[in-house]
Amino acid sequence: GNSVTQMEGPVTLSEEAFLTINCTYTATGYPSLFWYVQYPGEGLQLLLKATKADDKGSNKGFEATYRKETTSFHLEKGSVQVSDSAVYFCALSDNAGNNRKLIWGLGTSLAVNP
Amino acid sequence: SAVISQKPSRDICQRGTSLTIQCQVDSQVTMMFWYRQQPGQSLTLIATANQGSEATYESGFVIDKFPISRPNLTFSTLTVSNMSPEDSSIYLCSVGGGLNQPQHFGDGTRLSIL
Repeated sequence: GNSVTQMEGPVTLSEEAFLTINCTYTATGYPSLFWYVQYPGEGLQLLLKATKADDKGSNKGFEATYRKETTSFHLEKGSVQVSDSAVYFCALSDNAGNNRKLIWGLGTSLAVNP
Repeated sequence: SAVISQKPSRDICQRGTSLTIQCQVDSQVTMMFWYRQQPGQSLTLIATANQGSEATYESGFVIDKFPISRPNLTFSTLTVSNMSPEDSSIYLCSVGGGLNQPQHFGDGTRLSIL
């Protein structure tokens, strides 16, 4: 079945450091891929998405490229800020039939220190 | 994207009681989803609620414990019945999830059972 494997946290960085959070997936067909962010005490917000191979999603300085050959969708940011401290979730939608369930990674907690 | 309002935002309840969580969307949507997020964990789908039909529950979740209503295309409720401390979680509703489309979430209901 479909699955998402996310790099375990917590990740602790200093402000302006480079961030990578790894996400790999197993899926049949052509899934869509998403990164969501959950700030402390809040719900989930869509951060970025990619719907086909080689697509690059980007938002708020974050980027992720849909790599079909390595079944990966790693999240990157060149210079993190304290305000980026949150939990990040990778997810996929298999786009099969009418069932649009999302398959979720376990989440990666990021703490950015000033 | 749709604006999703959840009520209550948080509650503290006594064991053995029930709580109904409301989810209101500012536009008509076909599919609504209810999730549970236990402390420090990822999201687990409880059920999918389509207007005009019975909710579809995921493995491990039953209607007697988590009855769902979906009276129209902008509203749904989830009831957590006969609560125990193990039900202490964040409960989230989401909408969307069409082909290549993400789901969008409310801010969640933070539920603690004493």
